[in-house]
Formats: sequence, structure tokens, C-alpha cells
Amino acid sequence: SQELEQSPQSLIVQEGKNLTINCTSSKTLYGLYWYKQKYGEGLIFLMMLQKGGEEKSHEKITAKLDEKKQQSSLHITASQPSHAGIYLCGADIITDKLIFGTGTRLQVFP
Amino acid sequence: DAGVIQSPRHEVTEMGQEVTLRCKPISGHDYLFWYRQTMMRGLELLIYFNNNVPIDDSGMPEDRFSAKMPNASFSTLKIQPSEPRDSAVYFCASSFYWDSANYGYTFGSGTRLTVV
Repeated sequence: SQELEQSPQSLIVQEGKNLTINCTSSKTLYGLYWYKQKYGEGLIFLMMLQKGGEEKSHEKITAKLDEKKQQSSLHITASQPSHAGIYLCGADIITDKLIFGTGTRLQVFP
Repeated sequence: DAGVIQSPRHEVTEMGQEVTLRCKPISGHDYLFWYRQTMMRGLELLIYFNNNVPIDDSGMPEDRFSAKMPNASFSTLKIQPSEPRDSAVYFCASSFYWDSANYGYTFGSGTRLTVV
């Protein structure tokens, strides 16, 4: 969706390294969702952010939503091969309607 | 709960044939979404329902696509006639509005459609 831009499109990192994925909107977000998709499978919900400045963590994954609620970042600390997959940000641009960004493909090599 | 159940998991059909994809949402969820995922276009929202009523079908690509939700536990996405460019993975997702902040939208495993 052109309304949500993700960067980078792909990422290859060595195991143990930290990484950050960004999600940007030109419009104010009602809610920002982060999902992970393993190749050939469905989407797994990671976390959802609603308030400006909000930050949530799940295991080694931390997501933040900026004060203006137009940008979010997903940070993985000490990456592992199990973190590999496609990370998608989704947002309620208009209430109830969840659209997704283009995704970031993450590969983690030993 | 078994989660969102989609069938079939894989479908191969010939161009011009009718295709019906099925979805059983999680019991108690009041929203149901149909998405299509391709390498070129990513994950696109096709249509969504609230309490079985279609709210927004602006993402449905053409009149060849139609979706119904006759009751709270079942929805279909139909393509008639199918074309090779419809080949994609189709996902169904459901949610309960007041739980979405904690549990998000739950996705099914998808139906991989190939039109030859």
C-alpha cells in the first residue's frame, strides 16, 4: 500500500546483530500493528501500538510509535535465525480498515 | 479455539472456471477481512465485514470478485471467471474490535490459488 511505506525492503544480518525496521505513513494512524510472516504461512501478531510515544516489547523485539503517530520502528536485539521472515506493519488509517505496508524480508545467517 | 480456518489450502484451476474460497472466523469475532498477497503488490485488503455486513469493498479488483458472509461463522470469496492474474495467496482474518489492541487481527493459513 502506498499509504504505508516500510524500509528497508530486505535485510540480511549476521546472528547476534541488532536491526531496525521502519514503517512510515503520511497520515495519522489510529493503531499500528506489527506482524511476522514465515515463508508460505499466515501472519502472526506481534504487537499493537495506539498512543503517541508508546513502546512495547515482546521477547527481544521492541516497537515504538512516534509522538505524531505517523512512524513506527521495530527493533530486534541480538537477532537469531528464528527471527527470519517477513515483517509487516499494518495500520488503521481509517478506523476499522487495516491496511499493510510492503513488508521487510529479514534473513539471519549464522 | 482452532483459529481462523480457511479452505482449501491449495487450489489449482483452469482459466475461466469459478473458484470459491471459504473462511470460518473465530467464534465471537465481529470483523472479517479478505486479503490477497502477491510478490508484486504485497498484502492487499479486498473487502471487510462488520457483524456480517460488508463495510468496504473498494479493494475488490473487478466484478469477477464477490464476497458474502451469510452468518457470523462463515464467509466466501468467489472469483468467476478466474484468470491467471488472480493467482495469489488469499488470506482471511477476523477480529473482535475491543480485543484488537491485545490480540490483533487473527489470520488464517491462507489459500494458495493458481489459475492456469
